[in-house]
Amino acid sequence: ETGVTQTPRHLVMGMTNKKSLKCEQHLGHNAMYWYKQSAKKPLELMFVYSLEERVENNSVPSRFSPECPNSSHLFLHLHTLQPEDSALYLCASSPSGRAGTDTQYFGPGTRLTVL
Amino acid sequence: QKEVEQDPGPLSVPEGAIVSLNCTYSNSAFQYFMWYRQYSRKGPELLMYTYSSGNKEDGRFTAQVDKSSKYISLFIRDSQPSDSATYLCAMSRGDNAGKSTFGDGTTLTVKP
Repeated sequence: ETGVTQTPRHLVMGMTNKKSLKCEQHLGHNAMYWYKQSAKKPLELMFVYSLEERVENNSVPSRFSPECPNSSHLFLHLHTLQPEDSALYLCASSPSGRAGTDTQYFGPGTRLTVL
Repeated sequence: QKEVEQDPGPLSVPEGAIVSLNCTYSNSAFQYFMWYRQYSRKGPELLMYTYSSGNKEDGRFTAQVDKSSKYISLFIRDSQPSDSATYLCAMSRGDNAGKSTFGDGTTLTVKP
């Protein structure tokens, strides 16, 4: 079991719903990430937070809104999603998020289905 | 053109075989090279990590980096059914807020 936990593990929502994904890391890391993994596609980096500051936002639609209240917690707020947003959403953390090694530790993911 | 290209697979081998998983890349600034293993319905887990060129061995796994050819490999000796998973290569410059570029993944099945 990794030191990164995600809740919920599965989520089904309608296009008009608002929901949030939660990630928590117990590794003392300073950087946290949200990725989207769709079938037969590579991992897509969505957001990077380093020391609670957002340092990367890969042109993600505004219907995805991240929040990082502290270095251990990361949220992804979802609203008015589209069916094509159905995917596995992975949270990860890494020690520094800056120069040097970039070994990331992933959570188990949240399987999201948008109806 | 993608920055990282990974052999697409899927790959199916008998138990005990030697497996070679490969990635090529185009960005010469990459310094850190990682291999992740992802079991079905799980998040990726870090398997091996290498800095710059050379080989690194960990049990049945060997990671090899050839920066002059922009080519990395992961070798699995004496493969086991428990090695059946998707393997992802990843690379980073190490100076850009922890951003890695991932390959598409190769799905490996080891048959008993």
